[in-house]
Amino acid sequence: GESVGLHLPTLSVQEGDNSIINCAYSNSASDYFIWYKQESGKGPQFIIDIRSNMDKRQGQRVTVLLNKTVKHLSLQIAATQPGDSAVYFCAESYRSGNAGNMLTFGGGTRLMVKP
Amino acid sequence: ETGVTQTPRHLVMGMTNKKSLKCEQHLGHNAMYWYKQSAKKPLELMFVYSLEERVENNSVPSRFSPECPNSSHLFLHLHTLQPEDSALYLCASSQDHGVAGGHQYFGPGTRLLVL
Repeated sequence: GESVGLHLPTLSVQEGDNSIINCAYSNSASDYFIWYKQESGKGPQFIIDIRSNMDKRQGQRVTVLLNKTVKHLSLQIAATQPGDSAVYFCAESYRSGNAGNMLTFGGGTRLMVKP
Repeated sequence: ETGVTQTPRHLVMGMTNKKSLKCEQHLGHNAMYWYKQSAKKPLELMFVYSLEERVENNSVPSRFSPECPNSSHLFLHLHTLQPEDSALYLCASSQDHGVAGGHQYFGPGTRLLVL
C-alpha cells in the first residue's frame, strides 16, 4: 500500500539481516521500474532499475524482483547496514502520449537499521 | 554528488514575495524536471523540459512559473505563494525524455517555507 509523510510505512531490521521492501504499481502499461533511496536532507538517489521484459535484476547487495501479473515490485537488500537507513521509493515509467516517458513515484517506505 | 545542484538550499518567504529557485545540471542531459515533495503526498511531477521546451505542465498553479534558458539550467519562479506550497522542491535531469527508460538524477532540493 502507499503511505506518505508522517505515515510512511516503516521497516525496522537488525544490522546484518536482509531487508525486503515492497511496492505495488498501478499502470499495467509501465515498462520500466526504478528504486530510489532518499536520505535525510538529500534528493532521491538511484539504486537499481529493471525493464518489464525481466523479472529479476541484481546489483551490489541489492536485488529487484518484478511480478507483472500482480503489478508488484520488491527491493531486497542483503546484509543491511546502518548506512542503508533511508526512505526508499519505487517509480514506474510509462509512455504518456506526446509527453514522452513519465515517471510516477510511490509513497515510500522508511527503512530503519538497528545496530 | 549527482551532478545536479540547486540553490538556495533553504528559503523562507512571505506570501507576497517573489523568489526564484535555480537548478543546474553538469551531466550533459537534455531533459530537466521540477518535482514537489511534501509531507502529505508522494513526489509530484510539476514540469518537464526537453531540449529547452516545456513538454509537460502537470496542472500546476500559475503562481509557479518555470524557465529553461538552456539545457543546463532550470528555474522555478515563485510569486504570491500559499502556506500549503511549503515543501521540498526537487530538480532532476535525464539524458532524454522521449527515450524509453533512463533514470533521473536528482538535486538535493530546496526546502521552501511560506509564511
